[in-house]
Formats: sequence, structure tokens, C-alpha cells
Amino acid sequence: DAGVIQSPRHEVTEMGQEVTLRCKPISGHDYLFWYRQTMMRGLELLIYFNNNVPIDDSGMPEDRFSAKMPNASFSTLKIQPSEPRDSAVYFCASSWTGVAIEQYFGPGTRLTVT
Amino acid sequence: KQEVTQIPAALSVPEGENLVLNCSFTDSAIYNLQWFRQDPGKGLTSLLLIQSSQREQTSGRLNASLDKSSGRSTLYIAASQPGDSATYLCAVKGAQKLVFGQGTRLTINP
Repeated sequence: DAGVIQSPRHEVTEMGQEVTLRCKPISGHDYLFWYRQTMMRGLELLIYFNNNVPIDDSGMPEDRFSAKMPNASFSTLKIQPSEPRDSAVYFCASSWTGVAIEQYFGPGTRLTVT
Repeated sequence: KQEVTQIPAALSVPEGENLVLNCSFTDSAIYNLQWFRQDPGKGLTSLLLIQSSQREQTSGRLNASLDKSSGRSTLYIAASQPGDSATYLCAVKGAQKLVFGQGTRLTINP
């Protein structure tokens, strides 16, 4: 298995622009998670899906952030409009059903908003 | 609200030493605890997962323990090597959500 795939790996954009991050989970996994990592706040859960349905989006910082999972093999995290404080590494992770099951992380997308 | 703390924030030791990384959490109602490794500019690699009913897990030179009642976990690394240099993160799981500590940045000096 190729693992969790994220694209792009690096994104540099100007403030006010729309940014779309993409994730392909491991085939067969029914949970998908989006995290953000910054020096100040560490790793934070933004939102997670089960069977393509958003379950908990309480970590989404504000309305500028939105996430979708149109099918079991693809998810997007969109920021519109982007701001410099959104600069961070965004990780996608996936897992099977089950509370004792570990999460597998993608390589992350490093976002820089100038 | 679950809070996870890792001490120390950074650790530098000479090669060959045995070392312990600490993780504490405030809410003992967890399903499991997971230790990750993160290399600079890279994603997270899962090292060990301890279910709430377990006391410890071992993988090679790594041993992780869990004391749920006291809200503590330790990651023991035996015979450390320069290749072990990385940031180590612990995360506790309640239902489906992982809550991470800030990590311990480990440097092993040759």
C-alpha cells in the first residue's frame, strides 16, 4: 500500500488567495482526519470523517476553513481566503474502525501564506 | 478537556545511553496511547500503540509503558543511536480523537 497520500507537499500563496489541500487515505480505511501542526500550538485535530461523513469539526478554526470528502478515496481541506497565520504543516491521517486502531499519517503539506 | 504534556521538551545524550521520555495526560478515560516519531520536515511514524488494558508494549530497542490510573506513559529507548535523533510525540485517544503532546526533541550525539 502506498500509505496516505497528500498533495501538494509544499504550497506558497499570497494572503487572500484560496488554498486547497488534498488527501487520499489508505484503501479500506473508513476514518479520515485532518490535523494542523505549528510551533506554537503543536498538532491539533481540525476535523474528522467516518464513511465520508464529517463527524467532528470542532477544531476548524473559523469559517474560512472547510473540508469535504466526496468519496472514500479523496478528501480536501480548503482555506478561503488564506491569511499569514494559516501558515503551518497540514497532515491527513486515516484508520480503520475501532478505538484500538492506530492512525496512519501522510507526509503533510507545508503551507506558507505571505 | 484532555491535556497531554511531554517532559523534557528537549534532550541531548551521548550515543549508547539508555533514556526515558515522559508523557502525562489529565483524563484517564482513554482508549489507547500512541508514540510517534517525527523527523524534521517529515510526517509522523507510529512507533508503538498501547491499548488501555495493556501495561506495556515493546518493539526492538523501544519499550513503552502505560499507567492509566496515574495518567502517565514512558518511552524507554535502549542503547541509543544517532539515528534515533528525532522528535517523539505521544498521543492519547478518546473515542476517535487523538490529543497530542508537544513532543520531546531528542538528539543523540556520536
